[in-house]
Amino acid sequence: DTGVSQNPRHKITKRGQNVTFRCDPISEHNRLYWYRQTLGQGPEFLTYFQNEAQLEKSRLLSDRFSAERPKGSFSTLEIQRTEQGDSAMYLCASSGRDRDRYEQYFGPGTRLTVT
Amino acid sequence: GIQVEQSPPDLILQEGANSTLRCNFSDSVNNLQWFHQNPWGQLINLFYIPSGTKQNGRLSATTVATERYSLLYISSSQTTDSGVYFCAVGLYNFNKFYFGSGTKLNVKP
Repeated sequence: DTGVSQNPRHKITKRGQNVTFRCDPISEHNRLYWYRQTLGQGPEFLTYFQNEAQLEKSRLLSDRFSAERPKGSFSTLEIQRTEQGDSAMYLCASSGRDRDRYEQYFGPGTRLTVT
Repeated sequence: GIQVEQSPPDLILQEGANSTLRCNFSDSVNNLQWFHQNPWGQLINLFYIPSGTKQNGRLSATTVATERYSLLYISSSQTTDSGVYFCAVGLYNFNKFYFGSGTKLNVKP
């Protein structure tokens, strides 16, 4: 398995533009998570999918943010009308379905810079 | 949510020295991982250790869930150990991790 992959790795956008990030989890994993990390801080939870169902969303996820996992495989995170405060590293993680497989594996992240 | 405190926040070591990093958490958890974040931002799994003790080469970890803390030991540190170490905790049914602010380790040659 090649691990969790994320695209793009870097994104520079102007304030007010929309951006979309993609995450491909480890193939046999049914759980997928999005986190956001700002400089000097630990990652913060954004949202969680089990298969295609979005089961939990953080209050950090404003109305401008939307995430999908249409077929229970890859996921997309879209930010509409970006703001400078959205500049951060966006991390995706996945984990397995069994209790002893809850270990989360992270992708390399997408670094967003809003100018 | 669960509060996670990591100490020390910063640590400078001479190559070859040993160190202990601590993670305290505010509530009962049944999911705990240690990560090393490299300079490019990639989180590398070190240990999945909701309880007990594990060892992997020069690294070992112990979690005492009943007392709400975990320790990461690094022995004979190397310059490649430099980076930020994160502890993350959670509950299976809540399906997310709470991260600490990390320990930034700098190992000097």
